[in-house]
Amino acid sequence: KAGVTQTPRYLIKTRGQQVTLSCSPISGHRSVSWYQQTPGQGLQFLFEYFSETQRNKGNFPGRFSGRQFSNSRSEMNVSTLELGDSALYLCASSLWGGQPQHFGDGTRLSIL
Amino acid sequence: GQQVMQIPQYQHVQEGEDFTTYCNSSTTLSNIQWYKQRPGGHPVFLIQLVKSGEVKKQKRLTFQFGEAKKNSSLHITATQTTDVGTYFCAGGADQAGTALIFGKGTTLSVSS
Repeated sequence: KAGVTQTPRYLIKTRGQQVTLSCSPISGHRSVSWYQQTPGQGLQFLFEYFSETQRNKGNFPGRFSGRQFSNSRSEMNVSTLELGDSALYLCASSLWGGQPQHFGDGTRLSIL
Repeated sequence: GQQVMQIPQYQHVQEGEDFTTYCNSSTTLSNIQWYKQRPGGHPVFLIQLVKSGEVKKQKRLTFQFGEAKKNSSLHITATQTTDVGTYFCAGGADQAGTALIFGKGTTLSVSS
């Protein structure tokens, strides 16, 4: 079956702009989690959506938001981009929260 | 809040040497999961441990879950260059629906 699909793969933005990233989970998976990965910081948890509801949230400012649609696809939005937002953003899906995660290839976001 | 610490952060070995990474949680876990991320890739699920004192093997990899369900280890016997990458542990809390907490990972490099 198809894996987790993230679009776009690469994105270049400037400070102050906003960006929307998309994630299509594995069919049947209802939980979608988002992570920010930067060198030396590991995987920092942003939030998790389950059945269109945000169930868990990491320690990120309100500029980071997300949503999940009825087909379990999820989007993540970052507003007023800062240089420090440059990172690899990974989406992962699972049947339900806490179960083994299946990661997408990520979106590499660069802020100029 | 719950924290998962992983050591060492980096490890370099000669091919054929053994390697171990350790994971410690500040709270009791319901399960521990291990992931591997190859350079330029995304994390890939390796294994899940759920029972106190559980030991599982995958070829040259041995995974252990501590008796108190607060620590875990991954041991690789006779490393190969294909073992290169970052190994992450992720702890699942007892409370249902709680997000996984990832450690910062151990990056393994292997020279032949």
